[in-house]
Amino acid sequence: SQELEQSPQSLIVQEGKNLTINCTSSKTLYGLYWYKQKYGEGLIFLMMLQKGGEEKSHEKITAKLDEKKQQSSLHITASQPSHAGIYLCGAHRGSQGNLIFGKGTKLSVKP
Amino acid sequence: GAGVSQSPSNKVTEKGKDVELRCDPISGHTALYWYRQSLGQGLEFLIYFQGNSAPDKSGLPSDRFSAERTGGSVSTLTIQRTQQEDSAVYLCASSSFGGDYGYTFGSGTRLTVV
Repeated sequence: SQELEQSPQSLIVQEGKNLTINCTSSKTLYGLYWYKQKYGEGLIFLMMLQKGGEEKSHEKITAKLDEKKQQSSLHITASQPSHAGIYLCGAHRGSQGNLIFGKGTKLSVKP
Repeated sequence: GAGVSQSPSNKVTEKGKDVELRCDPISGHTALYWYRQSLGQGLEFLIYFQGNSAPDKSGLPSDRFSAERTGGSVSTLTIQRTQQEDSAVYLCASSSFGGDYGYTFGSGTRLTVV
């Protein structure tokens, strides 16, 4: 079955620093989703990437999809305490159906 | 409603008891999903409903787990004879099939089996 590996598992950065989180799939990607979760809350949808080379941005968060490498990266510029949380990547198992998720990257931002 | 609503938000139950968890999806969303999130683990898929099709139950961990979706809307996840390893946060999500905005998740039900 398809697995998604996220790296790093956890990350502590100083406020204002940039950071990158990676998500690598063991199989062909049919779209890649990024979510953010804060403790005790559900997942908040950030963005979806469908095509190789696609790049999307929302505020200071940018995600890219490298279809050939079966990998996506999430980049945060000038991190803030509000960026802290767990970032999860998700992908469809097969061409449709339910999403499977990586185990997440826990981000802490020190003021 | 405006979002996915789950109830209860917290549930403490004794080992061996049955529990029911409810999910009220976004109106008009044809697809509904249940996931389980245990401490330190990722999201584990449980079951998926799409319209009137037979649900995909491939993620249910045992026959103690079942779910139904009535009238294509509200869903109930039932766990019979609960065990301590069932303790987790149970998350429900809904989506419009083929939609470009991923899933909308509820805030989850935190289940503790004592």
